[in-house]
Amino acid sequence: AQTVTQSQPEMSVQEAETVTLSCTYDTSESDYYLFWYKQPPSRQMILVIRQEAYKQQNATENRFSVNFQKAAKSFSLKISDSQLGDAAMYFCAYMDSSYKLIFGSGTRLLVRP
Amino acid sequence: GAGVSQSPSNKVTEKGKDVELRCDPISGHTALYWYRQSLGQGLEFLIYFQGNSAPDKSGLPSDRFSAERTGGSVSTLTIQRTQQEDSAVYLCASSAGTGGLGEKLFFGSGTQLSVL
Repeated sequence: AQTVTQSQPEMSVQEAETVTLSCTYDTSESDYYLFWYKQPPSRQMILVIRQEAYKQQNATENRFSVNFQKAAKSFSLKISDSQLGDAAMYFCAYMDSSYKLIFGSGTRLLVRP
Repeated sequence: GAGVSQSPSNKVTEKGKDVELRCDPISGHTALYWYRQSLGQGLEFLIYFQGNSAPDKSGLPSDRFSAERTGGSVSTLTIQRTQQEDSAVYLCASSAGTGGLGEKLFFGSGTQLSVL
């Protein structure tokens, strides 16, 4: 079965600095997508960035970028120039042809002013 | 509506009672998901509807849980004979359902269920 692991329950970053959140996954599928979702206190999950497994180029969305290492089954999220509004729970997620989005346990990101 | 709407926002019930949670997906979205998020945990898949296809119920934890989707739109998650371990946030999501693996899921704000 596919699994997603986030080994950092909590991370802290100084405002304007850079932080990297880790994620590993396990699958035998060749075609899949990986996602990072943000969950603020409002509970609503917000898509931050996504990566298709077939694309070698790492996805970027403004201050957010990923380091996708397919062979190592690693998918980390880098947040540059951290802002107070980035404070939230961050979830790594995986989807294959089953169309079920499988989530990791999450990392709480604290941003220090 | 503009987004995925869930009701109620909060629900407190007594152990043994039945509860119904409602999800209104984004208009035109054919795919609909239910997830459960226990305190401090990640999201646990419950069920997935896609158009007129048979739903994927593989995540439902017991036969006390059921869900239906009427007219391809609104969905109701029903929990019978609630137990204290059912206390969690229940999140609903929808997507356009065009078949692409990387489709963006749009989530509602969830229903916080507390079983006393």
